[in-house]
Amino acid sequence: AQSVAQPEDQVNVAEGNPLTVKCTYSVSGNPYLFWYVQYPNRGLQFLLKYITGDNLVKGSYGFEAEFNKSQTSFHLKKPSALVSDSALYFCAVRDRTGGFKTIFGAGTRLFVKA
Amino acid sequence: DVKVTQSSRYLVKRTGEKVFLECVQDMDHENMFWYRQDPGLGLRLIYFSYDVKMKEKGDIPEGYSVSREKKERFSLILESASTNQTSMYLCASSFGEDTQYFGPGTRLTVL
Repeated sequence: AQSVAQPEDQVNVAEGNPLTVKCTYSVSGNPYLFWYVQYPNRGLQFLLKYITGDNLVKGSYGFEAEFNKSQTSFHLKKPSALVSDSALYFCAVRDRTGGFKTIFGAGTRLFVKA
Repeated sequence: DVKVTQSSRYLVKRTGEKVFLECVQDMDHENMFWYRQDPGLGLRLIYFSYDVKMKEKGDIPEGYSVSREKKERFSLILESASTNQTSMYLCASSFGEDTQYFGPGTRLTVL
């Protein structure tokens, strides 16, 4: 069965420091991988995705993520965090053979302190 | 930009009432989705639709139904609302297997 794990409920980081939000997945085939962000009282916004090709994917707002097939991970990173990055982050995975269904992780809340 | 709108941001209903949540997208996407979001559980798929009048059950369809009479509109119906359906409901649309675009959400409270 497909699954997505975000092992940290919350990540705290100081402004200006690098941040990492972790995601591991389990799918039967090769995955599509996504990161979404949710600001308070808002819907989810797309950040970036991995479909194929370069394992390092760059996305919106300076975020990037690295696809690691051997570790089945897709960690979200940013070199220098901003207070405005504070939000809820969701990792999502879709099996290429599984049709339309996307599995979302439980979410990781990021707090960036000034 | 893709725009997905939901009929209400906040809704309060009583147990047993029939509830309609509406979602409209303006990008001619063939796929539309309804999720509920609960703390610690992430997003769970209720139903999705890949074409007009076509629908598929997601992971938690019990107590819900959907309607898609027009391509741009996807409605979620709670036939008889219960307190355990108090949640944030998110609608999304996509083209093919690509990125899903989400509406702002409807926070439903059932008393």
